[in-house]
Amino acid sequence: ETGVTQTPRHLVMGMTNKKSLKCEQHLGHNAMYWYKQSAKKPLELMFVYSLEERVENNSVPSRFSPECPNSSHLFLHLHTLQPEDSALYLCASSPLAGDSIQYFGAGTRLSVL
Amino acid sequence: KNQVEQSPQSLIILEGKNCTLQCNYTVSPFSNLRWYKQDTGRGPVSLTIMTFSENTKSNGRYTATLDADTKQSSLHITASQLSDSASYICVVSAQNAGNMLTFGGGTRLMVKP
Repeated sequence: ETGVTQTPRHLVMGMTNKKSLKCEQHLGHNAMYWYKQSAKKPLELMFVYSLEERVENNSVPSRFSPECPNSSHLFLHLHTLQPEDSALYLCASSPLAGDSIQYFGAGTRLSVL
Repeated sequence: KNQVEQSPQSLIILEGKNCTLQCNYTVSPFSNLRWYKQDTGRGPVSLTIMTFSENTKSNGRYTATLDADTKQSSLHITASQLSDSASYICVVSAQNAGNMLTFGGGTRLMVKP
């Protein structure tokens, strides 16, 4: 266990559905991240939060909407997704949004039908 | 453009054998380089992290090397075990980038009995 918990582990949704991914860390870290991992592609950084404020948004489509209510929780709200959004979504945390090792959750495997 | 290239893309070895994975990067200015291990269905877990002044670092049967002049790193696995079967991801961090990481595509290692 890395101290970063993601739920659900698997999610299947239609293109018209609305769902949310949840990430929780018990490490006392101040920075949290969302990554997308598609087959045979490097991890892609989606969002970075530092002290509950978004500090990075790598041109992610608006159908992905992050929320960070406190330093321990991070959500990714999904709506009107496309089949190409099917991927493994990984959450990570680190002590600060600086240069430090990131601790990853196990990911949510998302399939969009 | 910052890039991290890993080779080979996939590798099959017999249990007990050694292997070496390669990572070439063009990230500048360089801050540090990390190797992560990602088991199937799980998030990446950090193996080693090296800064500019470090040439080698070990973690059990894993030894990472770094040549900052040629911008190359390698991960050597000694006496491989079945549990070493995973993807190994090279990640490079740039200075002044707010913890922006550049991920390699990974090497998928399979250790067979």
